[in-house]
Parts: sequence; structure tokens; C-alpha cells
Amino acid sequence: KNQVEQSPQSLIILEGKNCTLQCNYTVSPFSNLRWYKQDTGRGPVSLTIMTFSENTKSNGRYTATLDADTKQSSLHITASQLSDSASYICVVSLLTNAGGTSYGKLTFGQGTILTVHP
Amino acid sequence: NAGVTQTPKFRILKIGQSMTLQCTQDMNHNYMYWYRQDPGMGLKLIYYSVGAGITDKGEVPNGYNVSRSTTEDFPLRLELAAPSQTSVYFCASSYTGGGGLYEQYFGPGTRLTVT
Repeated sequence: KNQVEQSPQSLIILEGKNCTLQCNYTVSPFSNLRWYKQDTGRGPVSLTIMTFSENTKSNGRYTATLDADTKQSSLHITASQLSDSASYICVVSLLTNAGGTSYGKLTFGQGTILTVHP
Repeated sequence: NAGVTQTPKFRILKIGQSMTLQCTQDMNHNYMYWYRQDPGMGLKLIYYSVGAGITDKGEVPNGYNVSRSTTEDFPLRLELAAPSQTSVYFCASSYTGGGGLYEQYFGPGTRLTVT
């Protein structure tokens, strides 16, 4: 069964500190991996999208890494801010048999809830 | 440019009642999706549409219906509400297939409680 597992479930850090969130997946065949940020009461917003050939991708203070061999990804947040408090969701996309990508075939992790305290 | 809008934001239904969750996007996206998000769980795809007049089931379609008469609108219908449908519902859209490298844009969600 295609699954996406995230750890930790929740994390509390102090403002200004760095943190790393983990994502392990069993989705196969793999097309791309995304990280979303979801603020409380809002819809998810995309942070990064990586194909299997990319090892790292940055978006400001957010840096995602991908190891397609071990099926692991991480999201590193540097110099955290209070506004980083949110749920971070790892999402993996299936690859269709035709070699393209399949619409609607996104598998979502359960999210890591990050709380940044002043 | 409002993006993806959803109404209502909140709703409480009694068991057996019906309702329609509205979703509109103004980005001229072909693809639209409905997801539900249960506490502590990942989003699950209910239905999706690849264009006006074309819809298909996702992972958890039972108890729901959809239609897509225009590019902009993608309403989700609950015919006989059940407590198991208590969830937060998100509508999303993308220019092309959600599994590709195109972004999916999400609405703010509708929080539905069935009692």
C-alpha cells in the first residue's frame, strides 16, 4: 500500500532555532514530492516540489531534501519565526504507467505540527 | 484574483440532511479536486474533475456527488449526511494534472459537523 509517514507528529521549538521534519514514503513508482504548509483554519500552501532527480530545493528559509533511493525526504527550517507555526505536510505523487503523471494520485502524509514559541 | 473560494466556512447538519459545498476558482484551471481532512489524518481525495463535464471518483467517494458544468465551479453534494462525514473539506484546482509539477491551489476549507 502506498503510504507517506511523517515524524515527529508534533514539535515545539523556540523562535530563532532551526528544525528538521522527516518524511518516509513507500509510494511507487514515484514522480515528485511536495511539502505544504497549512496554517490553522486554512488550506495547504505549496512550499517546494521536487522530482526524483533533485536532491535539494530551497524556498527562503525552507530547504527540502530528497533521497529517492531510501525514499526519505526532510524539510529544514532555519531561523524559525512565530509565523512558521503550522502543520507541514509531505505529499508524494504517483507516476503513471505511461511515464507521465497521474492526476489526483497524490498521497498525503498526516503532517507534523510545528509550534514556535517566543 | 481570489484564487479558490469555498462556501460556507462552517456548517452543522443533522443526520439525513443534505447540502452542497460550493467551490469556485478564477484561475481558469482545468483540474479541480475535493478532499476531506480528518483529525490526525492526511487529506483524502473524494472526487476530481479534469474539465467541464468530466468528473471521476477519488479514494473516498461514497456518500458524495459532484458536477462540473463550468470551468470555474465544482460543487460537492452530500445527499444523506452521516456522522462519518464530519470533517474539513478542501477544494483545490490546478492548471493540469495534480500529480504533475503544476501547483495545486487550495481553498480555505469548509468545516462540516454532522450530528
